[in-house]
Amino acid sequence: DGGITQSPKYLFRKEGQNVTLSCEQNLNHDAMYWYRQDPGQGLRLIYYSQIVNDFQKGDIAEGYSVSREKKESFPLTVTSAQKNPTAFYLCASSIGLGHDLRANVLTFGAGSRLTVL
Amino acid sequence: KNEVEQSPQNLTAQEGEFITINCSYSVGISALHWLQQHPGGGIVSLFMLSSGKKKHGRLIATINIQEKHSSLHITASHPRDSAVYICAATPNRGSTLGRLYFGRGTQLTVWP
Repeated sequence: DGGITQSPKYLFRKEGQNVTLSCEQNLNHDAMYWYRQDPGQGLRLIYYSQIVNDFQKGDIAEGYSVSREKKESFPLTVTSAQKNPTAFYLCASSIGLGHDLRANVLTFGAGSRLTVL
Repeated sequence: KNEVEQSPQNLTAQEGEFITINCSYSVGISALHWLQQHPGGGIVSLFMLSSGKKKHGRLIATINIQEKHSSLHITASHPRDSAVYICAATPNRGSTLGRLYFGRGTQLTVWP
């Protein structure tokens, strides 16, 4: 079955450490996204990529980095520069490109919960 | 101010009750989405609509473009409907592929 796989599901990090969250999709989607979810807040966009080897900052990119070397993969690194990294992180994808409304239908992964100790 | 506002924030219902969750938005949109997030955290897209009404099983979504308002209805609610329901809007300005505005979600709990 096609879908998005995020790993790890739970991750604990000490302050000052970088961590990388994995996101892999087998949907042949062009566009991929990373969101952060905090209690009581809507999802906020960290980074997005519409095509391989290209990505753009979202609304809260500071302290995060991404890469898009393969269409299927969009890993997110939470760096030590991120002051409040404890959160639930969601990866998503969509068909992408063009202005077809289907391009806006997101498929989400199961999420990764990061806790900084 | 959030571009997408949902109400209520929390909703408790008895099994079998008819449920309505409301969503208002303040920007021009090309589509309105209803999403469901279960306790494990994963999110599923329920509906995408740009006008009128859509129905899937016991779920009905409506949108009124003039009033910038959408509702999600659940008929004959069941404990398995317990989840967070999230409203999201695709703005119709420029190339905003995938850049949705998200509401804060409505936590629904249905008791047997």
